[in-house]
Amino acid sequence: GIQVEQSPPDLILQEGANSTLRCNFSDSVNNLQWFHQNPWGQLINLFYIPSGTKQNGRLSATTVATERYSLLYISSSQTTDSGVYFCAVDEGGSEKLVFGKGMKLTVNP
Amino acid sequence: SQTIHQWPATLVQPVGSPLSLECTVEGTSNPNLYWYRQAAGRGLQLLFYSVGIGQISSEVPQNLSASRPQDRQFILSSKKLLLSDSGFYLCAWGPGGPADTQYFGPGTRLTVL
Repeated sequence: GIQVEQSPPDLILQEGANSTLRCNFSDSVNNLQWFHQNPWGQLINLFYIPSGTKQNGRLSATTVATERYSLLYISSSQTTDSGVYFCAVDEGGSEKLVFGKGMKLTVNP
Repeated sequence: SQTIHQWPATLVQPVGSPLSLECTVEGTSNPNLYWYRQAAGRGLQLLFYSVGIGQISSEVPQNLSASRPQDRQFILSSKKLLLSDSGFYLCAWGPGGPADTQYFGPGTRLTVL
């Protein structure tokens, strides 16, 4: 099946810093999503981005489908950005999402 | 707008006891429904998914089962829980199709003692 790798696995930042999260995947995809899991466990959709670039406030994402990677940018980080960030892709055009192992972000005040 | 509910929010059960977790979706019809488990280590594992009433696909052999008795209701069950069933169970829904987004419920934290 498709492999999804996220890097770095953990990141600690000071409030106000910028960061880039990377997601590599091993096959072509129709669906790529970025999620943020807050400290209470809720998974929140950040972006649906199988290709191209999108921005939402301080967050933006870029997927280069031909090179099989996606980047999530967080600018001017805040303590509320802390949590685990997941990248997920569809497997072989199926109804299923395959998740990376996640990246734990800690933003200190 | 669409909302997804899960209950209970937390559950502590003894080994060998039965399990029933419920997920319901509001504000949409004929959604795809999914059960995931998140164990220690953060990764999400797809357990079951359903594209319609009575249609269940199982991804991982285990002592869990799923049912979809109504269009917007998805139930995860077990006849006898194991210690290894502990984890965070997440239900999700999607409009359908491999290129569609998925939206997650608040989750149920299950501890089997």
